[in-house]
Amino acid sequence: DAGVIQSPRHEVTEMGQEVTLRCKPISGHNSLFWYRQTMMRGLELLIYFNNNVPIDDSGMPEDRFSAKMPNASFSTLKIQPSEPRDSAVYFCASSPDSPSGADTQYFGPGTRLTVL
Amino acid sequence: AQSVTQPDIHITVSEGASLELRCNYSYGATPYLFWYVQSPGQGLQLLLKYFSGDTLVQGIKGFEAEFKRSQSSFNLRKPSVHWSDAAEYFCAVGAGTGGFKTIFGAGTRLFVKA
Repeated sequence: DAGVIQSPRHEVTEMGQEVTLRCKPISGHNSLFWYRQTMMRGLELLIYFNNNVPIDDSGMPEDRFSAKMPNASFSTLKIQPSEPRDSAVYFCASSPDSPSGADTQYFGPGTRLTVL
Repeated sequence: AQSVTQPDIHITVSEGASLELRCNYSYGATPYLFWYVQSPGQGLQLLLKYFSGDTLVQGIKGFEAEFKRSQSSFNLRKPSVHWSDAAEYFCAVGAGTGGFKTIFGAGTRLFVKA
Protein backbone atom coordinates (compact mmCIF):
# COMPACT_ATOMS: atom_id res chain seq x y z
CA ASP A 1 0.00 0.00 0.00
CA ALA A 2 1.25 3.49 -0.82
CA GLY A 3 0.25 4.89 2.54
CA VAL A 4 -1.46 8.21 3.05
CA ILE A 5 -0.72 10.57 0.18
CA GLN A 6 -0.68 14.32 0.57
CA SER A 7 -0.21 17.02 -2.01
CA PRO A 8 1.44 19.34 -2.43
CA ARG A 9 4.40 18.63 -0.17
CA HIS A 10 5.31 22.29 -0.06
CA GLU A 11 3.19 25.34 -0.73
CA VAL A 12 4.27 28.95 -0.68
CA THR A 13 1.60 31.54 -1.20
CA GLU A 14 0.85 35.15 -0.48
CA MET A 15 -1.49 36.46 2.14
CA GLY A 16 -5.06 36.56 0.93
CA GLN A 17 -4.72 33.72 -1.54
CA GLU A 18 -6.75 30.54 -1.39
CA VAL A 19 -4.88 27.39 -0.47
CA THR A 20 -6.11 23.83 -1.02
CA LEU A 21 -4.41 20.85 0.55
CA ARG A 22 -5.23 17.36 -0.62
CA CYS A 23 -5.20 13.96 0.97
CA LYS A 24 -5.75 10.42 -0.20
CA PRO A 25 -6.22 8.04 2.74
CA ILE A 26 -5.25 4.39 2.84
CA SER A 27 -7.80 2.31 1.00
CA GLY A 28 -10.30 0.70 3.36
CA HIS A 29 -9.74 3.14 6.21
CA ASN A 30 -12.93 4.68 7.52
CA SER A 31 -11.60 7.63 9.49
CA LEU A 32 -9.63 10.61 8.26
CA PHE A 33 -7.98 13.33 10.31
CA TRP A 34 -6.46 16.71 9.55
CA TYR A 35 -3.81 18.07 11.91
CA ARG A 36 -1.75 21.21 12.04
CA GLN A 37 1.71 21.27 13.58
CA THR A 38 3.60 24.38 14.67
CA MET A 39 6.44 25.00 17.06
CA MET A 40 4.26 27.14 19.28
CA ARG A 41 1.13 25.00 19.46
CA GLY A 42 2.39 21.51 18.71
CA LEU A 43 0.12 19.03 16.99
CA GLU A 44 -3.50 20.16 16.82
CA LEU A 45 -6.44 18.15 15.54
CA LEU A 46 -8.43 20.33 13.16
CA ILE A 47 -11.20 18.01 12.02
CA TYR A 48 -11.94 14.37 11.57
CA PHE A 49 -14.28 12.39 9.37
CA ASN A 50 -15.77 8.97 9.79
CA ASN A 51 -17.25 7.29 6.72
CA ASN A 52 -16.90 10.61 4.87
CA VAL A 53 -18.99 12.49 7.45
CA PRO A 54 -17.42 15.26 9.56
CA ILE A 55 -17.63 14.13 13.18
CA ASP A 56 -15.77 16.84 15.05
CA ASP A 57 -14.62 20.14 13.58
CA SER A 58 -14.14 21.91 16.89
CA GLY A 59 -10.44 22.29 16.15
CA MET A 60 -10.95 24.29 12.99
CA PRO A 61 -9.53 27.67 13.96
CA GLU A 62 -11.76 29.99 11.97
CA ASP A 63 -14.33 30.15 9.23
CA ARG A 64 -11.47 30.68 6.82
CA PHE A 65 -10.79 26.96 7.18
CA SER A 66 -13.02 24.36 5.58
CA ALA A 67 -12.66 20.65 4.90
CA LYS A 68 -14.50 18.24 2.69
CA MET A 69 -14.48 14.53 2.06
CA PRO A 70 -16.56 13.90 -1.06
CA ASN A 71 -15.70 10.21 -1.15
CA ALA A 72 -13.77 7.58 0.74
CA SER A 73 -10.57 8.17 -1.18
CA PHE A 74 -10.19 11.94 -1.15
CA SER A 75 -10.29 14.88 1.22
CA THR A 76 -9.38 18.56 0.98
CA LEU A 77 -8.53 21.23 3.49
CA LYS A 78 -9.05 24.74 2.20
CA ILE A 79 -7.92 28.05 3.65
CA GLN A 80 -9.50 31.14 2.18
CA PRO A 81 -8.13 33.74 2.58
CA SER A 82 -4.79 32.60 3.90
CA GLU A 83 -2.83 34.56 6.50
CA PRO A 84 0.83 34.39 7.61
CA ARG A 85 -0.20 32.81 10.93
CA ASP A 86 -1.54 29.84 8.98
CA SER A 87 2.03 28.86 8.14
CA ALA A 88 2.53 25.35 9.52
CA VAL A 89 2.87 21.73 8.53
CA TYR A 90 -0.50 20.15 7.84
CA PHE A 91 -0.83 16.42 8.27
CA CYS A 92 -3.51 14.10 7.08
CA ALA A 93 -3.95 10.74 8.80
CA SER A 94 -6.29 7.82 8.33
CA SER A 95 -7.28 4.89 10.46
CA PRO A 96 -9.37 1.77 10.21
CA ASP A 97 -12.32 1.27 12.53
CA SER A 98 -11.10 -1.62 14.64
CA PRO A 99 -13.63 -3.30 16.92
CA SER A 100 -11.56 -2.48 19.99
CA GLY A 101 -11.58 1.22 19.21
CA ALA A 102 -7.82 1.39 19.64
CA ASP A 103 -7.25 2.68 16.15
CA THR A 104 -3.75 3.32 14.94
CA GLN A 105 -3.48 6.43 12.83
CA TYR A 106 -1.34 6.38 9.73
CA PHE A 107 0.10 9.75 8.89
CA GLY A 108 0.97 11.23 5.56
CA PRO A 109 4.25 13.07 4.99
CA GLY A 110 2.62 16.45 5.52
CA THR A 111 2.29 19.67 3.55
CA ARG A 112 4.54 22.51 4.62
CA LEU A 113 2.59 25.73 4.07
CA THR A 114 4.24 29.11 4.06
CA VAL A 115 2.08 32.19 3.76
CA LEU A 116 4.04 35.34 3.01
CA ALA B 1 -11.72 15.52 29.27
CA GLN B 2 -8.71 13.47 28.38
CA SER B 3 -5.28 15.07 28.28
CA VAL B 4 -1.65 14.05 27.95
CA THR B 5 1.41 15.56 29.61
CA GLN B 6 4.96 14.96 28.50
CA PRO B 7 7.03 16.77 31.13
CA ASP B 8 10.30 16.77 29.21
CA ILE B 9 10.55 19.05 26.19
CA HIS B 10 13.87 17.54 25.20
CA ILE B 11 16.24 14.85 26.44
CA THR B 12 19.83 14.08 25.52
CA VAL B 13 21.28 10.61 26.00
CA SER B 14 24.51 8.99 24.92
CA GLU B 15 24.44 6.31 22.29
CA GLY B 16 24.17 2.93 23.98
CA ALA B 17 22.62 4.35 27.14
CA SER B 18 19.13 3.51 28.31
CA LEU B 19 16.19 5.79 27.68
CA GLU B 20 12.95 6.58 29.46
CA LEU B 21 10.46 9.15 28.17
CA ARG B 22 7.72 10.14 30.54
CA CYS B 23 4.03 10.41 29.81
CA ASN B 24 1.12 11.11 32.13
CA TYR B 25 -2.48 11.06 31.04
CA SER B 26 -5.84 12.11 32.35
CA TYR B 27 -8.87 10.06 31.43
CA GLY B 28 -11.84 8.80 33.38
CA ALA B 29 -12.02 5.31 31.96
CA THR B 30 -9.50 2.76 30.78
CA PRO B 31 -7.50 4.67 28.21
CA TYR B 32 -6.16 3.72 24.86
CA LEU B 33 -2.55 4.85 24.90
CA PHE B 34 -0.08 5.31 22.10
CA TRP B 35 3.49 6.33 21.44
CA TYR B 36 4.34 7.78 18.06
CA VAL B 37 7.71 8.85 16.67
CA GLN B 38 8.36 11.64 14.19
CA SER B 39 11.63 11.83 12.33
CA PRO B 40 12.62 15.18 10.84
CA GLY B 41 10.52 16.12 7.84
CA GLN B 42 8.24 13.14 8.17
CA GLY B 43 4.85 12.24 9.53
CA LEU B 44 4.23 10.38 12.75
CA GLN B 45 4.67 6.63 12.95
CA LEU B 46 3.21 4.35 15.58
CA LEU B 47 5.74 2.75 17.93
CA LEU B 48 3.32 0.88 20.15
CA LYS B 49 -0.12 1.03 21.71
CA TYR B 50 -1.98 -0.24 24.75
CA PHE B 51 -5.67 -0.84 25.16
CA SER B 52 -5.97 -3.88 27.42
CA GLY B 53 -4.16 -6.93 28.75
CA ASP B 54 -0.50 -7.05 29.65
CA THR B 55 0.59 -3.69 30.98
CA LEU B 56 4.05 -4.03 29.43
CA VAL B 57 3.77 -3.43 25.71
CA GLN B 58 6.42 -4.19 23.15
CA GLY B 59 6.77 -2.05 20.06
CA ILE B 60 8.89 -1.63 17.02
CA LYS B 61 12.56 -0.64 16.99
CA GLY B 62 13.17 -2.21 20.40
CA PHE B 63 10.89 0.15 22.34
CA GLU B 64 8.58 -0.84 25.15
CA ALA B 65 6.15 1.01 27.40
CA GLU B 66 4.52 0.20 30.69
CA PHE B 67 1.00 1.22 31.64
CA LYS B 68 0.68 2.09 35.32
CA ARG B 69 -2.88 2.90 36.22
CA SER B 70 -2.03 3.97 39.78
CA GLN B 71 0.36 6.59 38.46
CA SER B 72 -1.62 7.48 35.30
CA SER B 73 1.57 6.94 33.38
CA PHE B 74 2.67 5.28 30.18
CA ASN B 75 6.44 5.75 30.01
CA LEU B 76 8.43 4.71 26.98
CA ARG B 77 11.71 2.85 27.43
CA LYS B 78 14.57 1.49 25.40
CA PRO B 79 17.54 -0.34 26.93
CA SER B 80 20.14 0.89 24.46
CA VAL B 81 19.68 3.95 22.29
CA HIS B 82 20.99 4.17 18.74
CA TRP B 83 21.88 7.38 16.94
CA SER B 84 18.98 6.72 14.55
CA ASP B 85 16.54 7.04 17.46
CA ALA B 86 17.02 10.80 17.48
CA ALA B 87 13.54 12.14 16.75
CA GLU B 88 10.49 13.60 18.43
CA TYR B 89 8.29 11.28 20.44
CA PHE B 90 4.61 11.83 21.08
CA CYS B 91 2.46 10.16 23.69
CA ALA B 92 -1.25 10.08 22.93
CA VAL B 93 -4.49 9.05 24.56
CA GLY B 94 -7.59 8.08 22.69
CA ALA B 95 -11.22 7.38 23.34
CA GLY B 96 -14.27 6.25 21.52
CA THR B 97 -15.00 3.81 18.82
CA GLY B 98 -15.70 4.53 15.23
CA GLY B 99 -14.86 8.20 14.88
CA PHE B 100 -11.86 7.80 17.09
CA LYS B 101 -10.34 10.93 18.61
CA THR B 102 -6.75 11.00 19.78
CA ILE B 103 -5.18 13.69 21.94
CA PHE B 104 -1.45 14.12 21.50
CA GLY B 105 1.05 15.35 24.03
CA ALA B 106 3.41 18.21 23.24
CA GLY B 107 6.20 15.82 22.36
CA THR B 108 9.70 15.13 23.65
CA ARG B 109 12.63 15.69 21.36
CA LEU B 110 15.38 13.12 21.80
CA PHE B 111 18.98 14.01 21.04
CA VAL B 112 21.58 11.24 20.90
CA LYS B 113 25.24 12.05 21.42
CA ALA B 114 28.10 9.89 20.27
